[in-house]
Amino acid sequence: EVQLLESGGGLVQPGGSLRLSCAASGFTLRSYAMTWVRQAPGKGLEWVSAISGSGDNTYYADSVQGRFTISRDNSKNTLYLQMNSLRAEDTAVYFCARPGSSTSWSLFGYWGQGTLVTVSS
Amino acid sequence: EIVMTQSPATLSVSPGERATLSCRASQSVSSNLAWYQQKPGQAPRLLIYGASTRATDIPARFSASGSGTEFTLTISSLQSEDFALYYCQQYNSWPPRHTFGQGTKLEIK
Repeated sequence: EVQLLESGGGLVQPGGSLRLSCAASGFTLRSYAMTWVRQAPGKGLEWVSAISGSGDNTYYADSVQGRFTISRDNSKNTLYLQMNSLRAEDTAVYFCARPGSSTSWSLFGYWGQGTLVTVSS
Repeated sequence: EIVMTQSPATLSVSPGERATLSCRASQSVSSNLAWYQQKPGQAPRLLIYGASTRATDIPARFSASGSGTEFTLTISSLQSEDFALYYCQQYNSWPPRHTFGQGTKLEIK
């Protein structure tokens, strides 16, 4: 059974940093591009960042470019999101998501339960 | 960046009736359009991909159509479990910044 389990969320002050993790099980992580999607309280879904299966290629939304870094450790079956220079508008539930097919970058058939990041003083 | 616009923001429909949700792309996304359903406190669930193909285990009352910039999701004979948020997502662009629409809330009338 495919499972994605996010962790690392919490309360952080503006300007602070946080690292999110997404532990994957039930499949071979390196075979899949992975994505972080966030959802601010009461708001819609926002695509944040994606990474290729090997980790060689990474992509970011303009809103987080230069502040967030996506990475993965396939040997540990874990996806990461390092978030620096956090702002109030980064407050959201952060989901990791996996496509249903190893050839896709979207069509997210599998999602974690999400981890809440709150940026506030 | 491709901007996805959904309408209406909120749709009130009675159980048993039909609901029609719209999604527009700021530029053509061909048929690379997906629909997701999200219920409170849950992660989204993939409903439709390729603009019109139902994902695994999605009931036949969900249908979708469109290509280019205009897309529609139709839910015939609404069931109580269908009242939720619905998002469209384009996956045509490269690099893969696969943007979502802002969502349509389908509520009970």
